[in-house]
Amino acid sequence: DVKVTQSSRYLVKRTGEKVFLECVQDMDHENMFWYRQDPGLGLRLIYFSYDVKMKEKGDIPEGYSVSREKKERFSLILESASTNQTSMYLCASSLPGLPLHFGNGTRLTVT
Amino acid sequence: GQQVMQIPQYQHVQEGEDFTTYCNSSTTLSNIQWYKQRPGGHPVFLIQLVKSGEVKKQKRLTFQFGEAKKNSSLHITATQTTDVGTYFCAGRWTTSGSRLTFGEGTQLTVNP
Repeated sequence: DVKVTQSSRYLVKRTGEKVFLECVQDMDHENMFWYRQDPGLGLRLIYFSYDVKMKEKGDIPEGYSVSREKKERFSLILESASTNQTSMYLCASSLPGLPLHFGNGTRLTVT
Repeated sequence: GQQVMQIPQYQHVQEGEDFTTYCNSSTTLSNIQWYKQRPGGHPVFLIQLVKSGEVKKQKRLTFQFGEAKKNSSLHITATQTTDVGTYFCAGRWTTSGSRLTFGEGTQLTVNP
């Protein structure tokens, strides 16, 4: 069974801090995604990657960057956290064109 | 960018009643997927629709893809308390590659 692991379930950070959210998948999937989920807004795509060192901006990339140095790992970076980045962050992976497998999510609070 | 609109945002039903959620795109989709997220959980894949006019069933759940491939629906017959959760549609377009765009979701509550 596919396993997508997000490093933290809950995270509290201060405004201006640099924040790293880590995601690891164990099924050799080419595609990896970062979404944020907010009430009433559904899941909004921040960035995705279709191969090592390849990345594409999603719908809301401002304030975020990503890194994919190894196929199994996709990191989301908040260069300078702000309160409006308080949210649930969901990582997912998939084979091309196939369904997404999600991690359990990281609930980030920026104070 | 391309969007998928989903309605209603919330639906409260009595156990045994039916439930339907609808998704709409202004442009033709290449395929659409449906996910369910239980309270406190993460989205879990339910089904993918690819063909125009496609209808698929999973027990009490019926999924439809419109003839123009611009809309889709999920219908649950005789809801049960185990159906509680948020249902999301997610669409792909031929121009969007592997990008999957989610609708806003419909949160279903079922009163026993």
